[in-house]
Amino acid sequence: SQKIEQNSEALNIQEGKTATLTCNYTNYSPAYLQWYRQDPGRGPVFLLLIRENEKEKRKERLKVTFDTTLKQSLFHITASQPADSATYLCALEGSNYQLIWGAGTKLIIKP
Amino acid sequence: NAGVMQNPRHLVRRRGQEARLRCSPMKGHSHVYWYRQLPEEGLKFMVYLQKENIIDESGMPKERFSAEFPKEGPSILRIQQVVRGDSAAYFCASSPDQDNEQFFGPGTRLTVL
Repeated sequence: SQKIEQNSEALNIQEGKTATLTCNYTNYSPAYLQWYRQDPGRGPVFLLLIRENEKEKRKERLKVTFDTTLKQSLFHITASQPADSATYLCALEGSNYQLIWGAGTKLIIKP
Repeated sequence: NAGVMQNPRHLVRRRGQEARLRCSPMKGHSHVYWYRQLPEEGLKFMVYLQKENIIDESGMPKERFSAEFPKEGPSILRIQQVVRGDSAAYFCASSPDQDNEQFFGPGTRLTVL
């Protein structure tokens, strides 16, 4: 069955550094992959979508890569700020256009 | 353009009662998704609906759970005869098309006593 793995341990990063989060998947070849941010007690907020024919996508301080050979996506936040602290979720296109979600990685940016 | 609305935000039910969760998608969105989330866990897909149609309900338990998205009015997730294990946050999301980003509501936190 399809499986998505994100680092379950919290990631602690010093303010100003680049934070890199990993999303690995198995038994699947999704047409696209999405990244969301979720703050405590709130619904996820869409950040970026990258399709299988795209290697990299950028939006302001955010960058996503998609390696279909390694079955991996990397999510980077450059010049990180304490306000970037949140849980980041990756989601893959599943069958019938529904999304399959990773458990999320908690990112903590220390001032 | 208002975002996705969910109500109630918090719902407390006793075992055996019914829970009705409502979701109004963003204006112009005809695709609605329901998810369940337990603390410190990811989102679990439950059901995907388009206006008046259930497209995929593979993540929804066959018993006690049902969902609808009528031609007029909000989408409803209904849980009959709730049990303690139903306690969770239930999120609704909407999108304008099938393979686009999803816009989430604030969620309904269901507590079963």
